[in-house]
Amino acid sequence: GENVEQHPSTLSVQEGDSAVIKCTYSDSASNYFPWYKQELGKRPQLIIDIRSNVGEKKDQRIAVTLNKTAKHFSLHITETQPEDSAVYFCAASIWNTDKLIFGTGTRLQVFP
Amino acid sequence: SAVISQKPSRDICQRGTSLTIQCQVDSQVTMMFWYRQQPGQSLTLIATANQGSEATYESGFVIDKFPISRPNLTFSTLTVSNMSPEDSSIYLCSVGGSSSYEQYFGPGTRLTVT
Repeated sequence: GENVEQHPSTLSVQEGDSAVIKCTYSDSASNYFPWYKQELGKRPQLIIDIRSNVGEKKDQRIAVTLNKTAKHFSLHITETQPEDSAVYFCAASIWNTDKLIFGTGTRLQVFP
Repeated sequence: SAVISQKPSRDICQRGTSLTIQCQVDSQVTMMFWYRQQPGQSLTLIATANQGSEATYESGFVIDKFPISRPNLTFSTLTVSNMSPEDSSIYLCSVGGSSSYEQYFGPGTRLTVT
């Protein structure tokens, strides 16, 4: 089955710096890659996603890139703010199953 | 996106008992899923709740332990049976979005088994 690895497990940055979180997946049939942000005590929130027919997608300060050949995808947050502090999860979904397999999560801390 | 609610939001239960968690959506959705998130961990898919038929369980999860109902396109229940302290987790339902790819999560049910 699909396996998703996520790095790093923790990430500390200064406010205004950029943050990058990387994921790799194992199943080449995966075709949908969402990212979720989970604040303490809250539900996971979908923040951006990308499909396998696209290499990059951007939404304001957040961007996601996908390298299908290497089976890598990454989340980029620019101009980080303290409110970006949360746990971020990547996930992969195999076409036609709708099932999400999650990475292990990255705790991002943004220091003012 | 759909408005998703779960009941109860939290509960403390005794070992050996069962708890049924409800997930209600304000619009009809095709796909509903149940996940478990153990303390400080990632999300693990328990099963896909299929409307009008038996749920599809992931490896490591069985119907006797986690029976699921999906009587219509807006409602599902997950029962955690014969609970042990290892079942202490947050249980979340999710629903498929309009594009059939995106998933949105309910607020979760925090279960503590003593």
